[in-house]
Amino acid sequence: AQTVTQSQPEMSVQEAETVTLSCTYDTSENNYYLFWYKQPPSRQMILVIRQEAYKQQNATENRFSVNFQKAAKSFSLKISDSQLGDTAMYFCAFMKSQGAQKLVFGQGTRLTINP
Amino acid sequence: DVKVTQSSRYLVKRTGEKVFLECVQDMDHENMFWYRQDPGLGLRLIYFSYDVKMKEKGDIPEGYSVSREKKERFSLILESASTNQTSMYLCASSLHGSTGSYNEQFFGPGTRLTVL
Repeated sequence: AQTVTQSQPEMSVQEAETVTLSCTYDTSENNYYLFWYKQPPSRQMILVIRQEAYKQQNATENRFSVNFQKAAKSFSLKISDSQLGDTAMYFCAFMKSQGAQKLVFGQGTRLTINP
Repeated sequence: DVKVTQSSRYLVKRTGEKVFLECVQDMDHENMFWYRQDPGLGLRLIYFSYDVKMKEKGDIPEGYSVSREKKERFSLILESASTNQTSMYLCASSLHGSTGSYNEQFFGPGTRLTVL
């Protein structure tokens, strides 16, 4: 079975700073997907960024980028030039590329951006 | 835009009641999912369905059942609600892609259920 671990329950940074959220996972699969989801306060969960395990290049989406270390089974999210709207719960998630498309989530990190 | 809606944002029920949580999606997605979200535990999969009248157990199906009579609607049923089922329930849907492909899961706003 796959597991996803987020070891930082809460983080807080000042606006415009860069922040990195950590995520590790465990799997015996060779092909899979990794995700970061954002859940703003009282709002719907949305996908932030996705990484395919077979791609060595780290995914980027504007101010969001990942550091994917397949051998270490690590998948961290970096938010550059943080904004107040980045305040949210962030979840790391795993999905096998074969079979049922089920997401396995980490415990979540509550990120607060302070003005 | 994909829209996933859930019947209630907040729900309060009593122990022993039968509870129905409804989820509707408007994008003709084959896959639908029910997750439970608890602090410190993240989201855990309760049940999912990849077609009408099809269902599969997730990681924590005990105490729950589901129904999918129409493609757009996926219901979560608590046959006899208990206090330990107090939680946030999230529904999601996605296309059923070909093997090895990926299709994004879109989430509903969630239902916060309190069982007294």
